[in-house]
Amino acid sequence: ETGVTQSPTHLIKTRGQQVTLRCSSQSGHNTVSWYQQALGQGPQFIFQYYREEENGRGNFPPRFSGLQFPNYSSELNVNALELDDSALYLCASSSGQLAGSGEQYFGPGTRLTVT
Amino acid sequence: GNSVTQMEGPVTLSEEAFLTINCTYTATGYPSLFWYVQYPGEGLQLLLKATKADDKGSNKGFEATYRKETTSFHLEKGSVQVSDSAVYFCALSDPANNAGNMLTFGGGTRLMVKP
Repeated sequence: ETGVTQSPTHLIKTRGQQVTLRCSSQSGHNTVSWYQQALGQGPQFIFQYYREEENGRGNFPPRFSGLQFPNYSSELNVNALELDDSALYLCASSSGQLAGSGEQYFGPGTRLTVT
Repeated sequence: GNSVTQMEGPVTLSEEAFLTINCTYTATGYPSLFWYVQYPGEGLQLLLKATKADDKGSNKGFEATYRKETTSFHLEKGSVQVSDSAVYFCALSDPANNAGNMLTFGGGTRLMVKP
């Protein structure tokens, strides 16, 4: 069974640029969630995708957007990067059968640094 | 809205000491409760969970009991090891949210165990 994978591992961008982060969900999982974890803090929910549709969104501006593909992999796009976007971005997958239980499986994250 | 509050760290213990990390929550519905662990340089791993009041989650010697009357889910371990050094996150999932298995996290507690 393949776990959740994310790419790239880390990257550095300049303020105002755009970035795309990628996530492959665990085999058999159809739900993907994205979280932002600032240094020294707990993860904050960005949004969730279920069967290619957005299924909930946290308190993040529209410049944070996402996609889910038919194979349930996902992308997180951030436009007009700001310094405060520097963080670890975590992807988590789960099965529709676990919906409501909250149990999710996390990838290792992408460390984004905005300069 | 939902929130999770956990004790600030770092918590520094000697090997074989007893561990307690306090966690309290606020939720609008009937949440499921979780403890996740993050080892250095890695993503989050589910440690244990409890889905209803008075349930006890346990794994790898760690335990936590879902206390609805005190809205708490304190993490305990009878004898910690150096390998338990990590950051521990308390989290909840509230089915009353629009994203059924969105996780709300506490700020994390760093545990350092010395030989």
